[in-house]
Amino acid sequence: KAGVTQTPRYLIKTRGQQVTLSCSPISGHRSVSWYQQTPGQGLQFLFEYFSETQRNKGNFPGRFSGRQFSNSRSEMNVSTLELGDSALYLCASSWGRTSGRGDEQFFGPGTRLTVL
Amino acid sequence: KNEVEQSPQNLTAQEGEFITINCSYSVGISALHWLQQHPGGGIVSLFMLSSGKKKHGRLIATINIQEKHSSLHITASHPRDSAVYICAVPPTSGSRLTFGEGTQLTVNP
Repeated sequence: KAGVTQTPRYLIKTRGQQVTLSCSPISGHRSVSWYQQTPGQGLQFLFEYFSETQRNKGNFPGRFSGRQFSNSRSEMNVSTLELGDSALYLCASSWGRTSGRGDEQFFGPGTRLTVL
Repeated sequence: KNEVEQSPQNLTAQEGEFITINCSYSVGISALHWLQQHPGGGIVSLFMLSSGKKKHGRLIATINIQEKHSSLHITASHPRDSAVYICAVPPTSGSRLTFGEGTQLTVNP
């Protein structure tokens, strides 16, 4: 079974531009979560999508948005890029269980975004 | 105080040593995750556990729900175990993870 894939793997943008990152979950998984990792802040939760609906959102400005398609693939968009948006962006997919003994997440390789 | 705290932050060991990384959390959880991140960024899920103990090869993870504490052990450590180990907890429902700061492990030959 194929793992979680993310495209592109590397991206260089300049301040003020916008960027779209893509995540394809493991087949059958309906939940996709996005995380930002920076040296200063560590790993932080951005948002989670389940069945095309945003189910949970972290503390990020409105410049960060996302969506999920009917095939569970997800995109995240960052508009008006700032230098501080330089980070590794990771997505993780899971079945999306909300009760019981937890919902194991499987991570993609990440997209490394550099903002100049 | 962070919701998830790991210790130590950095750990250097000699090949063959027994390694322990600790994680304490302050919130109610449904399960705890141990993750491994190698240079280059990819994250691999090592364990998800909600009680007791799990073993996979040379890796052992334990959790004590009452004490809100988990440990990751590596037996007979090897240089290829060098990585950042991160514990993460979801809330009692949902997939949102809160992460510890990670433990940078370096195993020297």
